[in-house]
Amino acid sequence: EPEVTQTPSHQVTQMGQEVILRCVPISNHLYFYWYRQILGQKVEFLVSFYNNEISEKSEIFDDQFSVERPDGSNFTLKIRSTKLEDSAMYFCASSPTGAPTQPQHFGDGTRLSIL
Amino acid sequence: AQRVTQPEKLLSVFKGAPVELKCNYSYSGSPELFWYVQYSRQRLQLLLRHISRESIKGFTADLNKGETSFHLKKPFAQEEDSAMYYCALLNNAGNMLTFGGGTRLMVKP
Repeated sequence: EPEVTQTPSHQVTQMGQEVILRCVPISNHLYFYWYRQILGQKVEFLVSFYNNEISEKSEIFDDQFSVERPDGSNFTLKIRSTKLEDSAMYFCASSPTGAPTQPQHFGDGTRLSIL
Repeated sequence: AQRVTQPEKLLSVFKGAPVELKCNYSYSGSPELFWYVQYSRQRLQLLLRHISRESIKGFTADLNKGETSFHLKKPFAQEEDSAMYYCALLNNAGNMLTFGGGTRLMVKP
């Protein structure tokens, strides 16, 4: 069964540095998402992306964050100047459409640790 | 604004006992609700969705709009059901899932 893949599995970065988290969605999916989960807290929506533009974003997704689909397969999340509070598990997801009959499929996540 | 509440962080039952994981939601639109499960060291996986009215691995969930609830039930818990369970609400635009805080289910032998 096709899966969403995320790299790296663990990223350690110094505060203030830029970080790029990478995702390869399932190949025939058109909607892409990023979520994060701070340790001990709930999974939080960050952003959704469709047709090469942001479809929806949360208050968390401020100017420090950006997303890109640089080619036909990758979907990236960039954090420009990382803060300690950005430490979290980041999940990528994809779905064929936005319909509830075609739910989102999640990757294994990237654990981001900011020092 | 949409919100999902799972009041229990931990639910511990013995094998063979009935299980009910509670989920309440708040949403002004027409709710589309899901249960996701995360087994140890594995990714979030869809367990079931209310629109399909299905039973997966013996689990069922009924949407109760009057009580704004979508509780997950299983009549006889198995040890392999031990996992983290998340209730989630999809907005009407279909582009944002809101998750509850999750309930850890532990099924003891």
